[in-house]
Amino acid sequence: DGGITQSPKYLFRKEGQNVTLSCEQNLNHDAMYWYRQDPGQGLRLIYYSQIVNDFQKGDIAEGYSVSREKKESFPLTVTSAQKNPTAFYLCASSASSGGGYEQYFGPGTRLTVT
Amino acid sequence: DAKTTQPTSMDCAEGRAANLPCNHSTISGNEYVYWYRQIHSQGPQYIIHGLKNNETNEMASLIITEDRKSSTLILPHATLRDTAVYYCIVRVVGETSGSRLTFGEGTQLTVNP
Repeated sequence: DGGITQSPKYLFRKEGQNVTLSCEQNLNHDAMYWYRQDPGQGLRLIYYSQIVNDFQKGDIAEGYSVSREKKESFPLTVTSAQKNPTAFYLCASSASSGGGYEQYFGPGTRLTVT
Repeated sequence: DAKTTQPTSMDCAEGRAANLPCNHSTISGNEYVYWYRQIHSQGPQYIIHGLKNNETNEMASLIITEDRKSSTLILPHATLRDTAVYYCIVRVVGETSGSRLTFGEGTQLTVNP
């Protein structure tokens, strides 16, 4: 089956630790995205990548880092500099970064930092 | 990207049509209208999109007004599984800035038995 996988589904960390969230897609999509969702709110864009070895900051990139070494993988690291890391994190991909292409979302990772 | 305005919540009876409105009065000529929905604690799911013509697929119909300042998503026969938050998003065509989707707070649709 083609799709996007995120792991783990739930993640718990202590404050001050960096944590990396996994996102893999087998749709052969060029573009990939990371969003954050807080309770009762819409999604906010953290980072996006239009092509391998290239990525751009979204609206709330502070405290996060990404890499795009392979087309199918776009891991997100939540660093200790992120002040409020507890949230629901969603990864998405699309065939192209141009308009007219829908984004497909993974099931999400719920991160809790205490 | 143009801002959208949606009602916070709506109710619909099972089996009836659900009509979800969206205002996008500042939409520009090269922006598509997209609809996604998010069932609780899951990733958003693409529903449909259009530029100026009405569109229909197996999930829904999208009606865009002639001036493109508003649109309506129609679920023709709502089921309990259609209970979700529905997001209306406008996005520039051909934009190379990563095709960012700007999600607002959406409309919580509750389908009642």
